[in-house]
Amino acid sequence: GEDVEQSLFLSVREGDSSVINCTYTDSSSTYLYWYKQEPGAGLQLLTYIFSNMDMKQDQRLTVLLNKKDKHLSLRIADTQTGDSAIYFCAESRNQGGKLIFGQGTELSVKP
Amino acid sequence: DAGVTQSPTHLIKTRGQHVTLRCSPISGHKSVSWYQQVLGQGPQFIFQYYEKEERGRGNFPDRFSARQFPNYSSELNVNALLLGDSALYLCASSFTGEEQPQHFGDGTRLSIL
Repeated sequence: GEDVEQSLFLSVREGDSSVINCTYTDSSSTYLYWYKQEPGAGLQLLTYIFSNMDMKQDQRLTVLLNKKDKHLSLRIADTQTGDSAIYFCAESRNQGGKLIFGQGTELSVKP
Repeated sequence: DAGVTQSPTHLIKTRGQHVTLRCSPISGHKSVSWYQQVLGQGPQFIFQYYEKEERGRGNFPDRFSARQFPNYSSELNVNALLLGDSALYLCASSFTGEEQPQHFGDGTRLSIL
């Protein structure tokens, strides 16, 4: 199928690390993306990784890619209350610009 | 620099009507994509346009159509609206579309009564 799967909810304490996981289906996917959506807003591009990379770090964000298992994760270090949002992973399959999104993981950060 | 802008932000229509949603891409971006996001789900791909040509189409009925103008802005049209068309409609732009990061606007919230 064409599903991208994510767990629906994650709750962490402020200052802890958050890890949001995603599995995808198409081994030919070229880019994998993480987007953040706050209530009432559109999607904010957080980071992306090319499929021939294992890891990408960008300030508090670390993306890990396990291509063999088709598993992608986003780690947020020192999670803040402002990080509370829904996080979507998406894969790009070179099909006319189509991105396939997961259902989103709602991250709740408690003070 | 301005990001992707969409208008209107909110819209209420009744069943059977038609609607036109508008999108202006980031300056320098030549590709625009449209997505539908139903409450509680991830966005679903509707169309992508590049240089005024349709490059990709998702699994949506022919009631959905779009076009791109010479200034790279775009319109999404939906005819014969159904209750199930109630959603957030998102526009994204990128330089060329193919394997390029897509940057999203804040969307148009469409409610069908």
